[in-house]
Amino acid sequence: GQNIDQPTEMTATEGAIVQINCTYQTSGFNGLFWYQQHAGEAPTFLSYNVLDGLEEKGRFSSFLSRSKGYSYLLLKELQMKDSASYLCAVRERDDKIIFGKGTRLHILP
Amino acid sequence: GAVVSQHPSRVICKSGTSVKIECRSLDFQATTMFWYRQFPKQSLMLMATSNEGSKATYEQGVEKDKFLINHASLTLSTLTVTSAHPEDSSFYICSARRRTGSSYNSPLHFGNGTRLTVT
Repeated sequence: GQNIDQPTEMTATEGAIVQINCTYQTSGFNGLFWYQQHAGEAPTFLSYNVLDGLEEKGRFSSFLSRSKGYSYLLLKELQMKDSASYLCAVRERDDKIIFGKGTRLHILP
Repeated sequence: GAVVSQHPSRVICKSGTSVKIECRSLDFQATTMFWYRQFPKQSLMLMATSNEGSKATYEQGVEKDKFLINHASLTLSTLTVTSAHPEDSSFYICSARRRTGSSYNSPLHFGNGTRLTVT
C-alpha cells in the first residue's frame, strides 16, 4: 500500500525557521515533491528531490533520504505570507503523483 | 513558465444535472493530465489519469461512468461530472506535466481549480 505521513499542523514565529517532516511508504519511488497551497487556491510547486541530499532554493530547502523514506522542507526567515498548507507528494514508478494530507503552517507575528 | 488553465473557476448546479470542467495547457503539450479532488481541509486525492487519444485510467473507488474524462488533444482534457449530487460538491483540480527530454524532474503544474457546489 501507499502511505505518506506529515504533521497535521505546525506553528512558528515570523523570522524563525521551521522544518516540516514527511515520511513515505509507496509502491515504487521516482522522486518527491513539495507544494505550497493557500486556502482556496491551487498548489504551487516548491521543490523536487530524486537523489539523496539537500536542495536549496532561496529561503526554502528540501532534503531527501531514500533509504529512510524521509524528507523535510525547511523554511527560513519566515514571513506571514508563508502561512499555508505544505503538501508532500511522491511520484511512484507508474508516474502517478500521490499527495500526503498536508501540514497547515501558522505563522505568528 | 508553464501555465495550466482551468475553467470554470466556480460553478453551482442543481442535483441531477451534469457539469463539464475544462483543463488546458497553454504553452506546452501534455500527453498526460491528472484530475484531483480535494474536500475541505483534506489533501488532493487522485481521481484519474487522462491520456491523450486513449481511455482514462481511474483510481480505485472512482466511478468512471460518473466522472467522464475526455483528452481529445495534446492541450485539452475535460472532466464531466454526470448526474451531480450534493456529495460531489468539492474542489476539482487538474494538472499537467511538461514533457521534456527527461520527464523525471518535471513537476506537475496545476490549474486554479474548480469549486463545484451541487444544490
